[in-house]
Amino acid sequence: AAGVIQSPRHLIKEKRETATLKCYPIPRHDTVYWYQQGPGQDPQFLISFYEKMQSDKGSIPDRFSAQQFSDYHSELNMSSLELGDSALYFCASSRTGESNQPQHFGDGTRLSIL
Amino acid sequence: SQKIEQNSEALNIQEGKTATLTCNYTNYSPAYLQWYRQDPGRGPVFLLLIRENEKEKRKERLKVTFDTTLKQSLFHITASQPADSATYLCALVVSGSARQLTFGSGTQLTVLP
Repeated sequence: AAGVIQSPRHLIKEKRETATLKCYPIPRHDTVYWYQQGPGQDPQFLISFYEKMQSDKGSIPDRFSAQQFSDYHSELNMSSLELGDSALYFCASSRTGESNQPQHFGDGTRLSIL
Repeated sequence: SQKIEQNSEALNIQEGKTATLTCNYTNYSPAYLQWYRQDPGRGPVFLLLIRENEKEKRKERLKVTFDTTLKQSLFHITASQPADSATYLCALVVSGSARQLTFGSGTQLTVLP
């Protein structure tokens, strides 16, 4: 079965640079979620989109923005990167039209800030 | 304050035994709860979902219970195998939310051969 695809798998940036992470949800899933997982931490919700509209916002810094496109893929844009942004960034997708559907996660993008 | 606590950071059990992991929450009204498995450097893998009006769900060697009075979910792995060694995360979806997951801190399970 198709899974959530994230790219790139690894990304190395320097402070104050920008980064773009991409997420391709499972086919026919209409909702995308972004999570950040720091070393030894549990995943923290950043932002979600349903049918290309932002549906909720969590602990996402103002330096970050995201969007969902017409083909349902999503991109997380990160600017003025800081050392503390080093983390695993996960995207998850679900089919919200059906009640109580689980979220399925990609394998994440490991972002390292030097 | 709102909290989701999982019983311990690490749990070691002998192969063939039943592993029981605990998830307790305070000051949440969950619509449903999910259990995930996470291996190092990988994304969480969905295991089971249980709704607020359900008491128990099973899938193969896995069983989850949900007690909204005790505000607790138990996750059982029967006939455990070394391949079951991983971190297990419980996650809540709060009623009326946009369905984002709020995770517990996880329990690292090691099944000893």
